[in-house]
Amino acid sequence: QKEVEQDPGPLSVPEGAIVSLNCTYSNSAFQYFMWYRQYSRKGPELLMYTYSSGNKEDGRFTAQVDKSSKYISLFIRDSQPSDSATYLCAMSDDNYGQNFVFGPGTRLSVLP
Amino acid sequence: NAGVTQTPKFRILKIGQSMTLQCTQDMNHNYMYWYRQDPGMGLKLIYYSVGAGITDKGEVPNGYNVSRSTTEDFPLRLELAAPSQTSVYFCASSTNLVRPHSGNTIYFGEGSWLTVV
Repeated sequence: QKEVEQDPGPLSVPEGAIVSLNCTYSNSAFQYFMWYRQYSRKGPELLMYTYSSGNKEDGRFTAQVDKSSKYISLFIRDSQPSDSATYLCAMSDDNYGQNFVFGPGTRLSVLP
Repeated sequence: NAGVTQTPKFRILKIGQSMTLQCTQDMNHNYMYWYRQDPGMGLKLIYYSVGAGITDKGEVPNGYNVSRSTTEDFPLRLELAAPSQTSVYFCASSTNLVRPHSGNTIYFGEGSWLTVV
């Protein structure tokens, strides 16, 4: 079992749809969670982060962590064509950068 | 606002050749990293450095070498290139501790696409 798994996609949705992107993990010690967005031919950029369990909202984006199920989600409301990108989850049991484990990414296309 | 800069952007190597991927950052970060990204495999850590003169292996270091003579620069050297090293390489940097709520996250360069034929 991989340490971090992610729905591979690709995922295509119409503009305005609600998108759910998910990661599961096996290490119960993980407590720092980040979502990165990666546009084509670019480097990943931080989109959302959460610490431990709970929800965090930022505009159209909501990050959820369910530590009991070892499951994290990123929701995108009113999706836009500009949201078309690959989304990577990343997580760690501490906040040293070298210990963050990245998921394989889900490629999302939002069609106008 | 340059951030993390990598060169070259694209390169084709022949089997057995060597090359160096250059990386420089202007954020005065102590920590720097090299990752490779393969389809369906996520970002895998090759090497990292916690400061000038200090480097350490990540998850997939075989076939690579690094050096860190200055805070700003962290080159990655490929010796005797093999087809298995065909990948996208990302250099990244961060402060000592990743604290996104304080604006301290892992910052990535734009990537270097390497093909070994």
